[in-house]
Amino acid sequence: QKEVEQNSGPLSVPEGAIASLNCTYSDRGSQSFFWYRQYSGKSPELIMFIYSNGDKEDGRFTAQLNKASQYVSLLIRDSQPSDSATYLCAVLSYNTDKLIFGTGTRLQVFP
Amino acid sequence: EPEVTQTPSHQVTQMGQEVILRCVPISNHLYFYWYRQILGQKVEFLVSFYNNEISEKSEIFDDQFSVERPDGSNFTLKIRSTKLEDSAMYFCASNRGQGTQPQHFGDGTRLSIL
Repeated sequence: QKEVEQNSGPLSVPEGAIASLNCTYSDRGSQSFFWYRQYSGKSPELIMFIYSNGDKEDGRFTAQLNKASQYVSLLIRDSQPSDSATYLCAVLSYNTDKLIFGTGTRLQVFP
Repeated sequence: EPEVTQTPSHQVTQMGQEVILRCVPISNHLYFYWYRQILGQKVEFLVSFYNNEISEKSEIFDDQFSVERPDGSNFTLKIRSTKLEDSAMYFCASNRGQGTQPQHFGDGTRLSIL
C-alpha cells in the first residue's frame, strides 16, 4: 500500500517567519511530487511541483526533494496570515495517473 | 487563467437516488480525474479518463459509479444508487498529459446524502 505521511499539525508560526512543512512517502517508484494548499471547505490549489532531487524555488515557496530519503518538503518564507491553510503533499508513482495524498498539515500564521 | 468548473456546488439527494456530478475540464487538457474527500479525511483518487475510456480506477470506484464524456466539453460522474457513505466533496481535475503534468482541481461539489 503506497502511503504519504504528513504531520497533521497545527504548525503555528509568527508572521514573517519561515514555515517548514514535511512529507515522506513509501513508494520508491514515485516520480512526481506536488504541494497543494487547501483552505477550509475549498478545493486543493496547486502551489509547487518538483521532479528532481534538490531545491526548486518559486517566489516565497521552495520545494525540496530527497529521493534517497523519500522525503519532500515545502518552505514558505515571510509567512503571512493568508498562508494559513492545510498543505497537502501529493505523490505520483511511475506509470500511473493516481495522485496519492497525505492527510495534510494545518499551518497557522499569527500576526 | 483557465479553470476547471464543476456544477452543482452542492447537491442534496435521498439515499438510493441517482446523482450526476458535472465538470468542464480546462479546454486543452486531455486527462480527466475524479477524486473525493470525506469530511476530515484525505483526498482519495476515484478514476482517471483519457481518450474516452477509463485509464485507471480505485477500489472505491465500484459498479455504482460511472464516468462519461457526453460531448466535447463535459465530464460527468454518475452514482447510480447513492449510499449515506457517499456523502463527500467530489473534485474533478484535469491535466495536459500523464506523469509529470500537474493536475488542476475544480472547486468541487459537496454531495450530501440523506
